[in-house]
Amino acid sequence: QVQLQESGPGLVKPSETLSLTCTVSSGSISSYYWSWIRQPPGKGLEWFGYIYSSGSTNYNPSLKSRVSMSVDASKNQFSLKLTSVTAADTAVYFCARTFGSGTFDSWGQGTLVTVSS
Amino acid sequence: DIQMTQSPSSLSASVGDRVTITCQASQDISNYLNWYQQKPGKAPKLLIYDASNFESAVPSRFSGRGTGTEFTFTISSLQPEDIGTYYCQQYDDLPITFGQGTRLEIK
Repeated sequence: QVQLQESGPGLVKPSETLSLTCTVSSGSISSYYWSWIRQPPGKGLEWFGYIYSSGSTNYNPSLKSRVSMSVDASKNQFSLKLTSVTAADTAVYFCARTFGSGTFDSWGQGTLVTVSS
Repeated sequence: DIQMTQSPSSLSASVGDRVTITCQASQDISNYLNWYQQKPGKAPKLLIYDASNFESAVPSRFSGRGTGTEFTFTISSLQPEDIGTYYCQQYDDLPITFGQGTRLEIK
């Protein structure tokens, strides 16, 4: 069964860039879409966007100007960058394998990122 | 964006009860609707995809139905391990959107 693991800093300063990586194991990153989803403390789920294994992307318009995703198939990893962060970006960030065009069938455990000076 | 509205927002029921959660889409999404269970401190887990299909190893007490704009998720006989928050999610159109969640507790 495919496993996903998020990694990256747990604390980011306001106005800086949040960077996270998701490592895929027990399966190939090829031929799937891979998403980032976040959940502010005590709140619901927000989809950031996804990247295909070839590198094509589709971002949520509400975040599009600040988001970029990339994939490194040789390392079985994909990454998220979110620029100009504020306290409102404090959340648990999940990576997820995306089956078809929008079914999240495998998830990482999530990583809490706090935006604070 | 397609708005997904779940009801109720929270629910308290007894072990053995039949529990139903409703999800309404702001426009026709055909059957492009999934249901997830999230336990505290954990990632969501896919239970039902395409409105009514079981993910592998999901107990048969969970079921989903609906098409268009109205969907339901049912637990036929509530078990203690079913506590958590349940989310519907549409993928008929981008951006992918989730309902606000239904928090399920045991009486």
